[in-house]
Amino acid sequence: RKEVEQDPGPFNVPEGATVAFNCTYSNSASQSFFWYRQDCRKEPKLLMSVYSSGNEDGRFTAQLNRASQYISLLIRDSKLSDSATYLCVVSSGGSYIPTFGRGTSLIVHP
Amino acid sequence: DTAVSQTPKYLVTQMGNDKSIKCEQNLGHDTMYWYKQDSKKFLKIMFSYNNKELIINETVPNRFSPKSPDKAHLNLHINSLELGDSAVYFCASSQERLAGITTDTQYFGPGTRLTVL
Repeated sequence: RKEVEQDPGPFNVPEGATVAFNCTYSNSASQSFFWYRQDCRKEPKLLMSVYSSGNEDGRFTAQLNRASQYISLLIRDSKLSDSATYLCVVSSGGSYIPTFGRGTSLIVHP
Repeated sequence: DTAVSQTPKYLVTQMGNDKSIKCEQNLGHDTMYWYKQDSKKFLKIMFSYNNKELIINETVPNRFSPKSPDKAHLNLHINSLELGDSAVYFCASSQERLAGITTDTQYFGPGTRLTVL
């Protein structure tokens, strides 16, 4: 089982739709969780950290479920500019080795 | 005033050659990283340095040697390049590690696209 797993997609949605991605992780000792966004041929950029209590930033909501070992990202009212690959990042304590998922591709169409 | 910069942006070279990629950050961060992103888009950590000291060294062939002359720079030297080394290499930096754990944002450079012929 891979350490961090994501459905690669692509998720093809119309503008205005709500879309959700999940990311599962195998290490129960994982302590830090993030969602990054990567545009085509660009570097990854932090979208949001994921806190135990869940957090929201505008149209984006991130949740953590430690019992089932997954994190989720919900995007409401999708915009064309949301089209990108969304990378899940998980790290464990100690030496902090960040592990990236392979990313989920989102395509928002008019 | 680029935060994390890498040179060169593109590198095309023959098998067997030796090449270097340079990375600099002006954010005052103590920790820097090298990642490899292959054709399947997996982003995998290779090395991490904290204050010029190697703290992460994942399973990487010893043809790859990182060098950190100071905490603002982390260069990557690759000897005897192979076809499988073709990938995009990203440098990144983050804040100082605290209590053995860092939860801080990583800032990535624009990437170096390496093609080995």
